Order: sequence, then C-alpha cells, then structure tokens
Amino acid sequence: AQKVTQAQTEISVVEKEDVTLDCVYETRDTTYYLFWYKQPPSGELVFLIRRNSFDEQNEISGRYSWNFQKSTSSFNFTITASQVVDSAVYFCALTEGMSDYGQNFVFGPGTRLSVLP
Amino acid sequence: NAGVTQTPKFQVLKTGQSMTLQCAQDMNHEYMSWYRQDPGMGLRLIHYSVGAGITDQGEVPNGYNVSRSTTEDFPLRLLSAAPSQTSVYFCASGTRGYEKLFFGSGTQLSVL
Repeated sequence: AQKVTQAQTEISVVEKEDVTLDCVYETRDTTYYLFWYKQPPSGELVFLIRRNSFDEQNEISGRYSWNFQKSTSSFNFTITASQVVDSAVYFCALTEGMSDYGQNFVFGPGTRLSVLP
Repeated sequence: NAGVTQTPKFQVLKTGQSMTLQCAQDMNHEYMSWYRQDPGMGLRLIHYSVGAGITDQGEVPNGYNVSRSTTEDFPLRLLSAAPSQTSVYFCASGTRGYEKLFFGSGTQLSVL
C-alpha cells in the first residue's frame, strides 16, 4: 500500500531563512509519481511540482528546489530565502503507475509553514 | 477560465439530513475525484471517476454516494449526514497520465 509521511507538523522560520520540508513515501510500484501542493490561508490547493520515479534529477524553480532520492524514498522541498507569502500548508502526494489514471493520489498530512517577518 | 467549480462554499446540516455537493469542470477531464480534508490527516480520497458512467471507491467512501452521468459533473451525495462528516471537501479533476490534479475551492461542511 502507498503511504506518504510528512513528519514535520509545523515549522516556523524568520523571513529570509532557508527551510526544508521533508517527505518520505512508501510504494511497492517501480513506476510512481510524486507531487507537492501548497495550501495558502485562503484554502485553495496550488500545484507546485510533479516528478516521476524515473527522473531523479533535482529541480530548481526560482526560490524553490526539490531533492528526490529513491534510495531513501524521499522527496524533500526547500524554500530558499523564505518570504511571508510562503506561509501555507504544504502537502506531498504520491500516485502509483498502475493504469492510465492516477486514481489513487495519497496525500501526506501536511506541514504548516509559518514565515515570520 | 472556470476550471473546477464547487458549490456551495459553506453548508451547515443537522444530523440525518441529506445533501449534494456539486462539482463541475470545463476542461474535458476524464478523471474526477472527491477528497475530504481533516486536521492532521491531509486529504483522503472518498470516490473517484475515470469517465462518464464509471465510478469507484476511495479510502473513505462510507456515507457518501456519487454518480457520473456527464464528463463535466461529479456530484457527491451525503445520504444521512453525521457529525463525523464535518470536514472540508475538495473536488479535483485531471487528465490521463498522472498529470497534476486541478482542485476546486472547497466546501466547508458542518454537521450538527
């Protein structure tokens, strides 16, 4: 069965600090997809990134970067020089490649990030 | 661009009442799903559909019913509301191939 663990329930940092959000996943499939979503205080869910199990290259997008390591089943998310607008709940999610559709997206419990001015 | 539209945004029910949460998407997505979000538990899948006429259960289906008569609409029915169904509900849609899910804005449901 698939499972996503986000051990950090809440993190507080001061603006301009770097912060890493941890995500550890479990799956029996060799083909799977990992995602990060952001949920700001307004409540909507915003897609950040999708990564498939065959691509272990790390990715950087502006202040955001993602570190995917199959050896440790982790897909960690780092925000560099955090800003107040980064304050949100961040969810890591996993879906296995068993069919044409990712019908069983499994989400982690989320990490609430507070960036203080 | 409407995307995924959910209604209502807020709803208060009494125990035993029934209601339908509406979800519509205008992106011609084959895949649609319903999640509930509870504190500390992330989003849990209730039901999903991979096309008109095709639905299946997710992780927490009890007490909920769905149908998919058109590609655009995927309503979620609460048959007899219970306080344990107090939650925030999200509808999501997506395309084939494990692309990202597009989420609606959510429905805050309270069952008294």
